[in-house]
Amino acid sequence: QSVLTQPPSASGTPGQRVTISCSGSSSNIGSNNVYWYQQLPGTAPKLLIYRNAQRPSGVPDRFSGSKSGTSASLAISGLRSEDEADYYCAAWDDSLSGRVFGGGTKLTVL
Amino acid sequence: QVQLQQWGAGLLKPSETLSLTCAVYGGSFSGYYWNWIRQPPGKALEWIGEINDSGSTNQNPSLKSRVTISVDTSKNQFSLRLRSVTAADTAVYYCARSSGLDYWGQGTLVTVSS
Repeated sequence: QSVLTQPPSASGTPGQRVTISCSGSSSNIGSNNVYWYQQLPGTAPKLLIYRNAQRPSGVPDRFSGSKSGTSASLAISGLRSEDEADYYCAAWDDSLSGRVFGGGTKLTVL
Repeated sequence: QVQLQQWGAGLLKPSETLSLTCAVYGGSFSGYYWNWIRQPPGKALEWIGEINDSGSTNQNPSLKSRVTISVDTSKNQFSLRLRSVTAADTAVYYCARSSGLDYWGQGTLVTVSS
């Protein structure tokens, strides 16, 4: 059971916009930055969004992040087949004094 | 360009000690926390713990009693030891750099089996 809650799956067709939610609590998302990672099959996760809404260099602007209260969202616009991957949210948890992850969302491009 | 390269034994028997090392190439070693994260087959990521160049650590409370994370600043390396492993510790283990886990090692599959 992960501390952060994500839907196990999401899907969309090419060109569509999809969003993935991440729900937490006041001790993690509510008081700390949220990070998003993309994990392609058989590879290490890749940082997609940092500090809630910032994109590292090289990440397309089709990917965007937002945070409100104790929840966060990752939006992917102009969906492409290569976006099919697992997506994880993460945040620091003050109560646990550690980093916590969501359970991951498997995105399927139909 | 920052690169993390990790290595360690991939097959252990129950009750043995898992030992992994991660070397950091490029960039600064100081000023960051260096993390260990694992992922059981088909499951989510789980944070194990982190250490900085001064040796200060933060660890997952659920694993803390079995985990030792150490650092060797002379080699820009940090290591993970997990004692008394069981089948539940079978996972791909990754090292990664904080800030935001922006750089990751290639991962090491550790299998615990008798």
